[in-house]
Amino acid sequence: EIVMTQSPATLSVSPGERATLSCRASQSVSSNLAWYQKKPGQAPRLLIYGASTRATGIPARFSGSGSGTEFTLTISSLQSEDFAVYYCHQYTNWPRGGFTFGPGTKVDIK
Amino acid sequence: EVQLVQSRAEVKKAGESLKISCKGSGYSFTSYWIAWVRQMPGKGLEWMGIIYPGDSDTRYSPSFQGQVTISADKSIGTAYLQWTSLEASDTAIYYCARLGATSSSGGWFDSWGQGTLVIVSS
Repeated sequence: EIVMTQSPATLSVSPGERATLSCRASQSVSSNLAWYQKKPGQAPRLLIYGASTRATGIPARFSGSGSGTEFTLTISSLQSEDFAVYYCHQYTNWPRGGFTFGPGTKVDIK
Repeated sequence: EVQLVQSRAEVKKAGESLKISCKGSGYSFTSYWIAWVRQMPGKGLEWMGIIYPGDSDTRYSPSFQGQVTISADKSIGTAYLQWTSLEASDTAIYYCARLGATSSSGGWFDSWGQGTLVIVSS
């Protein structure tokens, strides 16, 4: 099973600052990686798929990069509504195998 | 607009059975895989399993194989997650989510249900 790790566990950022979140896979997942935003009491929201493609309606301040085992989600200028938990998700084995999520990075207000 | 609407919260006792639902609308229900994802209190997201409503092809995470059953009724556009004997450790929020592509090349989840809270008391 491919294991996903995310760092840091918590990131404290001031509004307007840049946030950089990392996700690492235990083996190559090519570009088969997605990012989600999760707020308390809400469903996860797809931000990025294919490692770098923004989902429909996602603001340009969100960007994804990386391939293989190292990935980054960057929020260029944090807005108040961006404070949330962010999960990465690999799907490289689909449809032969399943999916795994990272443990999440919480972005909170500094 | 794609929508996945889940059944209401449930409070059950350990040993009871339960079936929760996820109704899809705004798209061709039979053409997209539907997954179930668990979030235990204070924890992250875990993929449980996935079903293709068109032919009921179902895959399970090894962690959940034998613990739950996933099914779908394509005539009413609804997917289900069921337990025959709940345990306190099943207390969690359960989300259904649509796979974002009809082909095998896309494995991201582009639409999510609002979640169903399941509380199991011992």
